[in-house]
Amino acid sequence: KNQVEQSPQSLIILEGKNCTLQCNYTVSPFSNLRWYKQDTGRGPVSLTIMTFSENTKSNGRYTATLDADTKQSSLHITASQLSDSASYICVVSAGGGYNKLIFGAGTRLAVHP
Amino acid sequence: DAGVIQSPRHEVTEMGQEVTLRCKPISGHDYLFWYRQTMMRGLELLIYFNNNVPIDDSGMPEDRFSAKMPNASFSTLKIQPSEPRDSAVYFCASSLGAPGYNEQFFGPGTRLTVL
Repeated sequence: KNQVEQSPQSLIILEGKNCTLQCNYTVSPFSNLRWYKQDTGRGPVSLTIMTFSENTKSNGRYTATLDADTKQSSLHITASQLSDSASYICVVSAGGGYNKLIFGAGTRLAVHP
Repeated sequence: DAGVIQSPRHEVTEMGQEVTLRCKPISGHDYLFWYRQTMMRGLELLIYFNNNVPIDDSGMPEDRFSAKMPNASFSTLKIQPSEPRDSAVYFCASSLGAPGYNEQFFGPGTRLTVL
């Protein structure tokens, strides 16, 4: 069964600190993995996307990694800011035709001053 | 571009009433998606269209839900009759090209409360 699991479910950190969010998936065949940021009351916005051959992708203070062998991805946030408070959703695209999307439940991050 | 536009942003209704949610995708996008998001189940794909044609509605929970896309710039999601368990945030998204590597752009969502 295609599944995407994220951890932790929620996280509180202090402003300026780093943090890492995890995403484990069992999706076959794998096409790509995308991280979304969802601010409260808004729709998700794409941060990064990685295909099978990519193992690191950065977007400003956000760095995503992908290990296709272990089927794990992480999203590292450097020098967190209050505006990083949001839910982060991992989405894996299964290959073959339509490219079915499998959504993780998300990690809710709160950055405190 | 204004992005994906959804209306209304908030809807409060009573059980049994008909609810219609509206979406205007980004101009030129050929795929349109309807999602539902709850705390318990996260984001769930309900239905998606390609060039105004429904392709996959396997996520529609039951016959009370229906979706239409009469033209490339407008889609509706209707719930009739509504029930309290339909309370959720409903998102519309659009993309240029099939989902997967092509990014989906989400609207701001409609928060539906059924009393």
